[in-house]
Amino acid sequence: AQSVTQPDIHITVSEGASLELRCNYSYGATPYLFWYVQSPGQGLQLLLKYFSGDTLVQGIKGFEAEFKRSQSSFNLRKPSVHWSDAAEYFCAVGAQNQGGKLIFGQGTELSVKP
Amino acid sequence: EAQVTQNPRYLITVTGKKLTVTCSQNMNHEYMSWYRQDPGLGLRQIYYSMNVEVTDKGDVPEGYKVSRKEKRNFPLILESPSPNQTSLYFCASSPRQGGEAFFGQGTRLTVV
Repeated sequence: AQSVTQPDIHITVSEGASLELRCNYSYGATPYLFWYVQSPGQGLQLLLKYFSGDTLVQGIKGFEAEFKRSQSSFNLRKPSVHWSDAAEYFCAVGAQNQGGKLIFGQGTELSVKP
Repeated sequence: EAQVTQNPRYLITVTGKKLTVTCSQNMNHEYMSWYRQDPGLGLRQIYYSMNVEVTDKGDVPEGYKVSRKEKRNFPLILESPSPNQTSLYFCASSPRQGGEAFFGQGTRLTVV
């Protein structure tokens, strides 16, 4: 069965430090992969997406993610975290033959220390 | 501005009282979905639609209905809400199967 796992429920980093959020997926074919961010009381905003091609993708707000097929991973990174990055982050896999469905991980809540 | 609009944003209702949450998108997307978000569970798909008059169940469809009479609108109907449907609901649209979804701002529903 298709699934997405985000192993870290909550991460705290200091402002200015680097960040890596982990995402592992289980999917039969080459997946479409996404990272979304959700600020409190807000909807989900797309940070970046991977469909094919270059396995290192750049997104908005200085985020990037790397697709590693051998590890079934799509980890999100940022070299220097800002206080405004505090939010919840969701990794998702696009299910190509299931009517536009996205399968989401449980989310990782990011806190930023001053 | 391209967007998905849900209404209402907040709703408190009583058990058994029928309600509808509206969703509209202005991007001419064929695919639309409803999700519910619960703590620790991420987002789970309730129903989806691939085009006008084409809908199908997602992972958690029990207690919900949808319709897609027009391409832009995809309302979510709870005919007899129960407390276990208290949740945060999101409507989303997508230009292609498995592609990125554009989300509404969410509807926080409380059923007492």
